[in-house]
Amino acid sequence: GAVVSQHPSRVICKSGTSVKIECRSLDFQATTMFWYRQFPKKSLMLMATSNEGSKATYEQGVEKDKFLINHASLTLSTLTVTSAHPEDSSFYICSASIIAGGPGNEQFFGPGTRLTVL
Amino acid sequence: GQNIDQPTEMTATEGAIVQINCTYQTSGFNGLFWYQQHAGEAPTFLSYNVLDGLEEKGRFSSFLSRSKGYSYLLLKELQMKDSASYLCAVRGSSASKIIFGSGTRLSIRP
Repeated sequence: GAVVSQHPSRVICKSGTSVKIECRSLDFQATTMFWYRQFPKKSLMLMATSNEGSKATYEQGVEKDKFLINHASLTLSTLTVTSAHPEDSSFYICSASIIAGGPGNEQFFGPGTRLTVL
Repeated sequence: GQNIDQPTEMTATEGAIVQINCTYQTSGFNGLFWYQQHAGEAPTFLSYNVLDGLEEKGRFSSFLSRSKGYSYLLLKELQMKDSASYLCAVRGSSASKIIFGSGTRLSIRP
């Protein structure tokens, strides 16, 4: 099946710094990538939908200036958490879709990035 | 608005059968997914239903009733490794976006 990677897998940073997380589709071109965050023992919350070459679509309540998303190519999307604070500590997961709206399991998940802000 | 409900926690015995229910209310419907997620890991795809009925895949089966906004995931011959969270997710009116329910933490006891 299709493989999605994320880097880094874990990051610890100081409050006020910015952190960039990369999401790559390794063996396919992703027309759409999604960014989720997950708090302990909670489900995935969709943050934004990222389409290559256009601006990301953010979900209600997600600050676009706080969580910057860039989808520069069909294999790479980045999420930058700007001026991170302890409440931003979470598990961030990306997923990639080959064909928007297609059937079946065409959305493939990356392994996630554990962010801890001190 | 969109709402996806499933039980928070369930416990079952190794070798037994368990059914995890999911009800949903979404604007539009373009398929329902079940994912398995072990702690600290990303979700892995289990099943996809877009038409009413039962889809069987090995020990796992998934059922959908669109008129009732209802689905269940059936796990047979439970194994200890099945202890995980099971996430019900729905693709609504949006062409590609999938919204997740809160997940059901399933614990398997010997």
